[in-house]
Amino acid sequence: SQQGEEDPQALSIQEGENATMNCSYKTSINNLQWYRQNSGRGLVHLILIRSNEREKHSGRLRVTLDTSKKSSSLLITASRAADTASYFCAGDGTSYGKLTFGQGTILTVHP
Amino acid sequence: DAGVIQSPRHEVTEMGQEVTLRCKPISGHDYLFWYRQTMMRGLELLIYFNNNVPIDDSGMPEDRFSAKMPNASFSTLKIQPSEPRDSAVYFCASSFGKGPYLGANVLTFGAGSRLTVL
Repeated sequence: SQQGEEDPQALSIQEGENATMNCSYKTSINNLQWYRQNSGRGLVHLILIRSNEREKHSGRLRVTLDTSKKSSSLLITASRAADTASYFCAGDGTSYGKLTFGQGTILTVHP
Repeated sequence: DAGVIQSPRHEVTEMGQEVTLRCKPISGHDYLFWYRQTMMRGLELLIYFNNNVPIDDSGMPEDRFSAKMPNASFSTLKIQPSEPRDSAVYFCASSFGKGPYLGANVLTFGAGSRLTVL
């Protein structure tokens, strides 16, 4: 089964709005990562948060992690049309090096 | 660096044929992963290597699938014989286990190989 499950499956917003995506995972993790995938492309790493961290920022990205609830959220502020993509969370809890991805959230940002 | 290089980008073949997908990881990376992506099953980890040694192949669907990494700069994923249900995008990714994200594998993905089995 997947390590991460994203919610919602699809999100449609207007440019300038904030987008929030959630991820729940089943087993304990050491690190949780978020990746983006543009249509027809490979995944690109966005941000990593460690299990002893609660929040992390990178540019317009904000990631939170709640290990007690086994959940994480990715917030993209002031979204742009170029943010349109699929977003995946990935955890490494099962064994070192083994990164397991969720099903992803499809984000559409309308100009 | 040119990134992770996969070939072919697209492959259309007939059921029963052998398919070989190729991957060149980023120079210096010591981990290599093969993933398969479909609409129904999402992104599945098939197998991963560390220093050219297979570490976990529990995701390989069945004996028709095999993967090799003869050296640090090349890996292959072979399907023999291929079946229509193998149609998917196959991604190769690599990482440096002792990079700035110490203790975490941050993956760099290739562009993928889209396989269609008729």
